[in-house]
Amino acid sequence: AQSVTQLGSHVSVSEGALVLLRCNYSSSVPPYLFWYVQYPNQGLQLLLKYTTGATLVKGINGFEAEFKKSETSFHLTKPSAHMSDAAEYFCAVSDRNFNKFYFGSGTKLNVKP
Amino acid sequence: DAMVIQNPRYQVTQFGKPVTLSCSQTLNHNVMYWYQQKSSQAPKLLFHYYDKDFNNEADTPDNFQSRRPNTSFCFLDIRSPGLGDAAMYLCATSRRLAGNEQFFGPGTRLTVL
Repeated sequence: AQSVTQLGSHVSVSEGALVLLRCNYSSSVPPYLFWYVQYPNQGLQLLLKYTTGATLVKGINGFEAEFKKSETSFHLTKPSAHMSDAAEYFCAVSDRNFNKFYFGSGTKLNVKP
Repeated sequence: DAMVIQNPRYQVTQFGKPVTLSCSQTLNHNVMYWYQQKSSQAPKLLFHYYDKDFNNEADTPDNFQSRRPNTSFCFLDIRSPGLGDAAMYLCATSRRLAGNEQFFGPGTRLTVL
């Protein structure tokens, strides 16, 4: 089975600062990779995904992530944090056989004024 | 807009009293998933349907059952809720093939008294 590690259960940044949320996966075969955002008492919303092709993926709300096979990583970044980015972020992977997701434990992003 | 709808958004039940949560979709997706999410944790897959084929996760308690009467609807039945079953329950849908995003509903927050 796949496993996903999100380093840092809580990350705090100042408004306007760089956001970096880390995600590493364990798989000998590169899986499909996803980042979701969850606001309080809501479902998960897709930010971006990587399946094939260009390893730098751009998503909604100014977020992007880069797939690095050699590092088995898919870190999420945003150049300038906004107060509305405060939420919980989940990294997920699915293997290449079926669309079953394995979620990381999540990172809560706090944005300070 | 095509979407995933969950009803009710908030459900209160008594210890041991059966409860049913509802999910409907207008996306016409083959696969429907039920997740349990406890506070500050990742969503945990309970089971999924691929069309009418039911797939239970190995560690899903027998107390949790599901029905999918047609493509659009899926139900989660908790036969005898315990205090430990209090959680957010998320429904999601996707196409079958790996690499497709899962679309999540807003969730039903279950309280067990």
